[in-house]
Amino acid sequence: RKEVEQDPGPFNVPEGATVAFNCTYSNSASQSFFWYRQDCRKEPKLLMSVYSSGNEDGRFTAQLNRASQYISLLIRDSKLSDSATYLCAVNMAGTASKLTFGTGTRLQVTL
Amino acid sequence: EPEVTQTPSHQVTQMGQEVILRCVPISNHLYFYWYRQILGQKVEFLVSFYNNEISEKSEIFDDQFSVERPDGSNFTLKIRSTKLEDSAMYFCATNIRGRNQPQHFGDGTRLSIL
Repeated sequence: RKEVEQDPGPFNVPEGATVAFNCTYSNSASQSFFWYRQDCRKEPKLLMSVYSSGNEDGRFTAQLNRASQYISLLIRDSKLSDSATYLCAVNMAGTASKLTFGTGTRLQVTL
Repeated sequence: EPEVTQTPSHQVTQMGQEVILRCVPISNHLYFYWYRQILGQKVEFLVSFYNNEISEKSEIFDDQFSVERPDGSNFTLKIRSTKLEDSAMYFCATNIRGRNQPQHFGDGTRLSIL
């Protein structure tokens, strides 16, 4: 099993739609989780940290399910500018502070 | 908003040559990282650095790689004898307290080995 796994997509959705991505991780003792956004050939930009109780930032909601070892990202009211690749990153248990990334899920929002 | 800055933005080098990639961390950040991303692949961890020492490194970070922070500001990644497969985007990242903290990435150096 891969350490961090994401569906590569692409997810093609119309503007205004709600879309959700999942990311599974292999190590049940992992402590911290993040969603990053990456535009083509650019750096990962932090979208949000994922907290145990779930958290929301505007149109974005992140959830953590420890029992099933996945995190999720929900985007409501999708905008054209949301088109990007969404990277899941995990601070795996047994490591110091390195982040282990998934391959990313590509989102394309269309008119 | 403070940023991590990297230079150069693009480096083209002949195979076998040495390259040095530079990063200026956010000023109050104490933990520094290098990652790379080969075109079309995922972001991969190379090395983490704290208190002037390597704290963790991946199997990619072999003897041809080294890091240092010689002047207290720039954090550098040196690749001693470049190979074709070193062609990638190299990202520097930093954070305040290391573990369990989000990392902030610079805009990367695209390294092309000919």
